[in-house]
Amino acid sequence: QVQLQESGPGLVKPSQTLSLTCTVSGGSISSGGYYWSWIRQHPGKGLEWIGYIYYSGSTYYNPSLKSRVTISVDTSKNQFSLKLSSVTAADTAVYYCARVLEGPYDSSGGRYYYYGMDVWGQGTTVTVSS
Amino acid sequence: DIQLTQSPSFLSASVGDRVTITCRASQGISSYLAWYQQKPGKAPKLLIYAASTLQSGVPSRFSGSGSGTEFTLTISSLQPEDFATYYCQQLNSYPFTFGPGTKVDIK
Repeated sequence: QVQLQESGPGLVKPSQTLSLTCTVSGGSISSGGYYWSWIRQHPGKGLEWIGYIYYSGSTYYNPSLKSRVTISVDTSKNQFSLKLSSVTAADTAVYYCARVLEGPYDSSGGRYYYYGMDVWGQGTTVTVSS
Repeated sequence: DIQLTQSPSFLSASVGDRVTITCRASQGISSYLAWYQQKPGKAPKLLIYAASTLQSGVPSRFSGSGSGTEFTLTISSLQPEDFATYYCQQLNSYPFTFGPGTKVDIK
């Protein structure tokens, strides 16, 4: 079955760029019907959706982070990546990658709906500190 | 953004109890609501999607219902492995948002 694994530095200095990669195994990232997402969880807190990417490269970002976030995909490596620029201590969190199940297409609205995140990575802790 | 509230935020229950968690949305989200279970130090696990569809492999004691702005997750007979935090998530509108969570603890 499909498995996801996050990788990247566990410590990032303030003002620098956080970079994480999610490697997809057991299936192809280019399979239709799925989007690939990043979510974070601040220590002892709830979950925050960062954004997603489709294998074609189309993305959607949470407006609260949009100015600092870039999500990219490398289909040849079966990976997708997160870059978060100008980090501060407030970006310290566990970062998860996850697969998003595509739902029905709304032809009147010209958009897809989504069902949920059915496969998650184990998460990686990123601390922002000098 | 669509805000989700969950009640209760904390629940103390015994093995065998029937447990119900409510998730309310600040505006209608049709049936695009998912429920997750998270145990300490672990990633969330999808339990229910589309408000009432049981994810493959999830025990049938879990069920979901609702549409529009009010949703419920029910555990028909709480098992020891069910003590965890439960989150709802709406996927009807961008950005996708999560509820604040309901922690289910052992009485």
